[in-house]
Amino acid sequence: GQQVMQIPQYQHVQEGEDFTTYCNSSTTLSNIQWYKQRPGGHPVFLIQLVKSGEVKKQKRLTFQFGEAKKNSSLHITATQTTDVGTYFCAVKGGGGATNKLIFGTGTLLAVQP
Amino acid sequence: DTEVTQTPKHLVMGMTNKKSLKCEQHMGHRAMYWYKQKAKKPPELMFVYSYEKLSINESVPSRFSPECPNSSLLNLHLHALQPEDSALYLCASSQTADRNLYEQYFGPGTRLTVT
Repeated sequence: GQQVMQIPQYQHVQEGEDFTTYCNSSTTLSNIQWYKQRPGGHPVFLIQLVKSGEVKKQKRLTFQFGEAKKNSSLHITATQTTDVGTYFCAVKGGGGATNKLIFGTGTLLAVQP
Repeated sequence: DTEVTQTPKHLVMGMTNKKSLKCEQHMGHRAMYWYKQKAKKPPELMFVYSYEKLSINESVPSRFSPECPNSSLLNLHLHALQPEDSALYLCASSQTADRNLYEQYFGPGTRLTVT
């Protein structure tokens, strides 16, 4: 089936350092979503990207969709302890009449104060 | 109200038990989902209901039986589970699942342990 890989699997940073996670697909994507899951929590929607080369910002978070629509990145500037969690990209899967989400493998971010 | 609620929060059951997980949303969403999530893994889709009809079953074993009594409620009936079924079961909802890809709202999950 369709696979969506994220790198790195895990990253440990000092508070104040930047962080980037990358999401890669072997197929061209129609759009991509990003979710954050805090430890012990549930996934929470962050953003959706639709257009080739699109860049969206949410405070310290910058999301980018690749020109070929096969990859995406999430960059966090000056991490804080509240950024701790696993970041998942998610893409539209299937091909039938009903949409479904396929989640990437996730990147676990640890932030040391 | 953008909340999806799930009960119970925790469930321990034996392999011969029958139990049900419940999920509720009042956002008027017409698509609801069940996911299974193992530790340190991404959520894995199990079922999709669209307009109260089962639209996707990801080859889930029959010991998991979903039910959508109305547009706000989603149940997952469990029977004769195996220890490897222990996981976090997440319910989610979205506006629809048949046209655009909408954001999904997740409930807090039910942490299931099968003994």
